Parts: sequence; C-alpha cells; structure tokens
Amino acid sequence: GNSVTQMEGPVTLSEEAFLTINCTYTATGYPSLFWYVQYPGEGLQLLLKATKADDKGSNKGFEATYRKETTSFHLEKGSVQVSDSAVYFCALSSGQGAQKLVFGQGTRLTINP
Amino acid sequence: DVKVTQSSRYLVKRTGEKVFLECVQDMDHENMFWYRQDPGLGLRLIYFSYDVKMKEKGDIPEGYSVSREKKERFSLILESASTNQTSMYLCASSSGTGVWEKLFFGSGTQLSVL
Repeated sequence: GNSVTQMEGPVTLSEEAFLTINCTYTATGYPSLFWYVQYPGEGLQLLLKATKADDKGSNKGFEATYRKETTSFHLEKGSVQVSDSAVYFCALSSGQGAQKLVFGQGTRLTINP
Repeated sequence: DVKVTQSSRYLVKRTGEKVFLECVQDMDHENMFWYRQDPGLGLRLIYFSYDVKMKEKGDIPEGYSVSREKKERFSLILESASTNQTSMYLCASSSGTGVWEKLFFGSGTQLSVL
C-alpha cells in the first residue's frame, strides 16, 4: 500500500540556518505530493504541493521537488526563522474520487533565536 | 477563507460513554474527513464522506461511526469510548475530485478517555 516516511524529529536549528526535512514515499501510480504544516494550537494547513515528477512546489521560502527516481519529496528552506517553528507533515494522495491523504509521522521543528 | 469548525477543543469522557465530535465547514465542500493524530504515527484516516448521507471507511474505522445528514456537517461517533481512543481528532474538508486538491483542517479536538 501507499506509505510516507519522514526523518525523525525533533529538529532544532538556529535562526538563519539551512533546513532539510527528508521525505520518501511508496505508492502505486502517480501520486500527488504535499507538505502540510501545523503551528502550535492550530490545524494543519497546506504549505506546498507537486502533482507530477520534477515539479517543484514552493511557498514562504520553502521548496520541495518531486523526484520520481528516488521517490522523494524533501522539504528545504535556505534561512529559517523563529516563526517557522511547527510540525511538518509530508503526505501523498493517489486515490480516485475524494482525496485520501496518507501522512508521514510528522517532524517537529524548533528554531532558536 | 474556508473555515472548518470543530465543536470542542478539549473533551474528557469516561470509558463506555458514547461520544459525539462535531465538525462544520462553511464553503459548501463536497468532501469531509475525520483523522486522528497520534505522536509518532502522524495522521490516520478514520472515515470520509464525499456527499450527503455517503460515508466510506478509512484506514482505522474500528470503534467509530460517522453521520452526514447535511452537507456542511460531519459527525464522528464513538459508540463506546475506550482509553485507546484518547487522541487528537482532526476534521477536514475539500472540494472536487482531483488528487491534487488541498484539504482544509479544523484546529482539532483533544479527546481524553479515562
């Protein structure tokens, strides 16, 4: 079946550091890939997405490239801020009809000033 | 902006009680979902619905049921709550049928079953 594996957290960085959160997936067919972010006390919200191989999703300085050959969708940001502290979830969707996302376990990110 | 509202932020119930978690969305979305979120396990799909009175099982439906009598409202029911159902419950909604559509989430209900 479909599955998503994220790097284990928690991850702690200093402000302005470079961020990478690894995500690999197993899926049949051609899934769409997503990164969702959950800020403290809030629900998840979409950060970025990519719908086909070699697509790059980007938003708020974050980027991720859909790599079919390595089945990966790593999240990167060149210079993180304290406000980026949150839990990040990688997810895929490959179902027909209503979207059924399969989520990774989440990575908690803390940015220190 | 889409608003997905969950009726309670925190809920404490006793083992064996019947528990109702309510979710309302205000953007006329066809699809609604219930997930539970547990540390180290991410989010797991319990049930979803793509139309009024329609429901489909997700990956972990055991011990749960759902009701969708109106398009905007999707209820999750724990018929007889157990301690292993202590979790954060997240409701979400979306429109359309494309796999690329994004989900809009509520802020969650933290349920404790004692």
